Amino acid sequence: EAQVTQNPRYLITVTGKKLTVTCSQNMNHEYMSWYRQDPGLGLRQIYYSMNVEVTDKGDVPEGYKVSRKEKRNFPLILESPSPNQTSLYFCASSLQQGNTEAFFGQGTRLTVV
Amino acid sequence: AQSVTQLGSHVSVSEGALVLLRCNYSSSVPPYLFWYVQYPNQGLQLLLKYTSAATLVKGINGFEAEFKKSETSFHLTKPSAHMSDAAEYFCAVWGGKLIFGQGTELSVKP
Repeated sequence: EAQVTQNPRYLITVTGKKLTVTCSQNMNHEYMSWYRQDPGLGLRQIYYSMNVEVTDKGDVPEGYKVSRKEKRNFPLILESPSPNQTSLYFCASSLQQGNTEAFFGQGTRLTVV
Repeated sequence: AQSVTQLGSHVSVSEGALVLLRCNYSSSVPPYLFWYVQYPNQGLQLLLKYTSAATLVKGINGFEAEFKKSETSFHLTKPSAHMSDAAEYFCAVWGGKLIFGQGTELSVKP
């Protein structure tokens, strides 16, 4: 089954404790991205990757890191989480950029206290 | 720069009634437009997309959207709402990345 898998689904952590949210896709997609969803703001792109070893900032990259060492995986790293990073996070992948369907993971609800 | 605006953060309809969710876009080039749906506790799922082949686009679950260049709109409609349509709906435009509207939460009353 074609899917994007994120883990964990829920995470509560404390300020400053490094964490990683994993994302994996099984569709051999080149393009992957991370979004955060906040009420009234829709989804905003954090980082994206057009292929292995190619990543770039989205609209709200501050406080986040990513890596793309393999085509299927695109982890999101918060080196020192802060309460303003409490949000719902989605990983997405698509075959290419542009007019192609993006497939989304189930989401990770992160709370930073 | 491309952008989308969804009119109405909450829409409530009765079961069997027409669903109309509004989306206006801003784009200096012919746009790629999408509607996504998010059911509770799930990720987003593509409902339909505008590919410039036809102005009336049919999607899954009985939804359709009409691209109107003169009105810069891409409103989503469904003739008869079902309880299972209750979800959040996002309009999006491709502008080097997917740019989403603020979302419209649809509730369906029995």
